[in-house]
Parts: sequence; structure tokens; C-alpha cells
Amino acid sequence: GAGVSQTPSNKVTEKGKYVELRCDPISGHTALYWYRQSLGQGPEFLIYFQGTGAADDSGLPNDRFFAVRPEGSVSTLKIQRTERGDSAMYLCASSLGAVSYNEQFFGPGTRLTVL
Amino acid sequence: AQSVAQPEDQVNVAEGNPLTVKCTYSVSGNPYLFWYVQYPNRGLQFLLKYITGDNLVKGSYGFEAEFNKSQTSFHLKKPSALVSDSALYFCAFGGFQKLVFGTGTRLLVSP
Repeated sequence: GAGVSQTPSNKVTEKGKYVELRCDPISGHTALYWYRQSLGQGPEFLIYFQGTGAADDSGLPNDRFFAVRPEGSVSTLKIQRTERGDSAMYLCASSLGAVSYNEQFFGPGTRLTVL
Repeated sequence: AQSVAQPEDQVNVAEGNPLTVKCTYSVSGNPYLFWYVQYPNRGLQFLLKYITGDNLVKGSYGFEAEFNKSQTSFHLKKPSALVSDSALYFCAFGGFQKLVFGTGTRLLVSP
């Protein structure tokens, strides 16, 4: 079956611009996660959804970051007024349910570069 | 704070030799521990996990990991390394419905 897909694979933008990153989870997976991975680091949690609602957004660095999942499937991570420090790989994952012992399945990521 | 640590930035091993990638944890209660592998330009792939029960966990591609409560470790092992195992390996624990990752260990398997 299809895995987690993310678009675009690469995004280059200018400082101050708005960007949207899309994630399409595995069909039937109710939990969806966003992580950010900087070069040489492990992924860091941003936000997760159980169904349509954001159950935990404690990892979002500031209010320029926002994510939605309006129909409980596809999710969009939105970044306003991008800064150079936002440059990173953004990873999406999904799992059968938001339980700590469930493995998460990751997409290939979107590499964001802010010039 | 609860965390996992990967003390080695890089591990070098010759093809055919056994490999070990180390992970230690600082987690209260019973930990849920995971290993993931990341190949260049590809997402993280799940290898194996420990929830409870048998301390030796077997996973994908011939990898296994041993949970050791007294040493608070969860080292990843493989009896015979392949060049194709060269990648970035991450240990993680599952807590509050999210994964917390270590900093990663780069494994280089030489022919």
C-alpha cells in the first residue's frame, strides 16, 4: 500500500514569505505527526493530530507556525513570515492511533530553505 | 527531562563483522523504545520496538536490539553487517503519544 507522502519535496523561499507543506498519511491512520529535523540532529516534535483536532501543539516554536487537518486525513503545516532559522527538513508521520507504543511511519520529508 | 542518548556520532565496521549501535535511556516507568534508520534523501524507516516482555527484540533487515533495564540501554545489533546497512540510525522513546529522538549515529560499513 501507499506510504506517507509529502509535497513538495523541496521548497526554496525568501525570508518573510508564507509557505505551506502538505502531508498525506497512510489510509486508515488516525494519528498524524509533524517533526522538524535540522542538519546533524534528530527529528524534533512539532505537533500531532488525533483525527481532525490538534491534540498536542507544544512543539511549535512560535505563533508563525500553524497546522491543520480539516477532514482527518491530509494535513498542512503553514509557516508565516519565514525566517532563515526555519530552514530544515520537515517530516510527517502517521500511525494507527496516538498511543506511545505505536510505531510511526514517516514520509520522505520536505526540505525547506529560506534565503 | 526524559531522553535517549546515542553516545557515538559514528560507528565503523567491516562488512561481515557484527555491529552494535548504542542507545541509553533516561525514562521514568516502563519505556517504549524504538529504532529507526534514515537513508540519504529518504524518510525514517521503522526497524523495531520494545514495549514489554522478551528483552531481545527482532526487527527488519536482520537487526535486533536488547533491552537492558539495569543498564538502561537498548543497543541495536546485527550479527553480520552489510555495506547496504550504511545509514543514519536513530534511537527514540515513545512518551505522551510522541517520539523523542536521540541525535543519531552514522553507521559506515566498509567492503
